[in-house]
Amino acid sequence: EDQVTQSPEALRLQEGESSSLNCSYTVSGLRGLFWYRQDPGKGPEFLFTLYSAGEEKEKERLKATLTKKESFLHITAPKPEDSATYLCAVHFRGGSNYKLTFGKGTLLTVNP
Amino acid sequence: EAQVTQNPRYLITVTGKKLTVTCSQNMNHEYMSWYRQDPGLGLRQIYYSMNVEVTDKGDVPEGYKVSRKEKRNFPLILESPSPNQTSLYFCASSLYPRGGSYNEQFFGPGTRLTVL
Repeated sequence: EDQVTQSPEALRLQEGESSSLNCSYTVSGLRGLFWYRQDPGKGPEFLFTLYSAGEEKEKERLKATLTKKESFLHITAPKPEDSATYLCAVHFRGGSNYKLTFGKGTLLTVNP
Repeated sequence: EAQVTQNPRYLITVTGKKLTVTCSQNMNHEYMSWYRQDPGLGLRQIYYSMNVEVTDKGDVPEGYKVSRKEKRNFPLILESPSPNQTSLYFCASSLYPRGGSYNEQFFGPGTRLTVL
């Protein structure tokens, strides 16, 4: 069964303390991997799309990378406003369907 | 402003009373989808639509119906709601997946449903 696993479930950092979030997947025929940010009580907000192994994308303090089995979201010198739940989603093509499977997310807390 | 809107935002209902949650987008997106989000289970796809009159099941379609008669609207229908459908629901839209892959999805603000 195709699965998406995010780790850690929760991460607490001090402001300025860099770290990485992981998204591993067991899918056949990966078509795309997506990172979203979700603030409490709000809908997810798109961050990045990665399509092939070796691809990297950056946005401010965030950098997403992709290998054949996992993706990392690197957070450099985080600020308290980076606190949120970060979601990973994988698009795989199963038969004639276009399904999108989300991981359970990593709750990031950045303390000042 | 480009957006996805959902109504109602909050709903408390009773078992068996049919309800509809509306979703509308103003970005001329072909693709629309419904998700539910539950603690410990994450976001799970209920139904999606590739275009008008084209819908397909996601991972958890049981107990739900959808229709796509217009491009901008994608209502979620619960014919006979049950307590296990208490959840936070999100609608999302995106451009049509091209080259076999999704584009970024834009999410609505969510509908918190409680079924007593």
